Amino acid sequence: DQQVKQNSPSLSVQEGRISILNCDYTNSMFDYFLWYKKYPAEGPTFLISISSIKDKNEDGRFTVFLNKSAKHLSLHIVPSQPGDSAVYFCAAKVKRHTGNQFYFGTGTSLTVIP
Amino acid sequence: ETGVTQTPRHLVMGMTNKKSLKCEQHLGHNAMYWYKQSAKKPLELMFVYNFKEQTENNSVPSRFSPECPNSSHLFLHLHTLQPEDSALYLCASSQEALRETQYFGPGTRLLVL
Repeated sequence: DQQVKQNSPSLSVQEGRISILNCDYTNSMFDYFLWYKKYPAEGPTFLISISSIKDKNEDGRFTVFLNKSAKHLSLHIVPSQPGDSAVYFCAAKVKRHTGNQFYFGTGTSLTVIP
Repeated sequence: ETGVTQTPRHLVMGMTNKKSLKCEQHLGHNAMYWYKQSAKKPLELMFVYNFKEQTENNSVPSRFSPECPNSSHLFLHLHTLQPEDSALYLCASSQEALRETQYFGPGTRLLVL
């Protein structure tokens, strides 16, 4: 059962416009959400995160929004740049008695067109 | 070398072979992880080591055998794998086990024939 879903496998955006990447989750016990970015032939790198007690976190051109009632997470990149072309993974964390457990989405491939 | 490194980057092996994947982190972290990423599937956590002790084993078949000789090195020993084990194997590390920010290596692309 996939608890974190990225329903759009790919997205193309013109340079300078906004990129919106979406993520849906099913487990209301998730307390922390993360976005990772992955270039080809490299491992994922941490991009931005948000705690479940917040609804927005901003870091430069990147903003993550959390809508807990809809169990929906989104990453906004504005303005989009060609270097942002990569695969973006969302992840969610839940506390278990043995520690934290992370669940990842399948990724969305973003292409920013110059 | 900085960050998390993995060798080899690509590996082709037969079902009767024995091979090992190596991971090294230069970040001074205490926790290391093995993940598997199959095509069109999300990342799956396989093993977690904290201060060289295995703390998580997410129902991984015994044909995958991890080894953590120290906090900087992590191995994944492979034997009698199946074609469905073909995937990208990612190593990661973090300051403490299962903390929010994990740093990933580039991965080993494994093909089992």
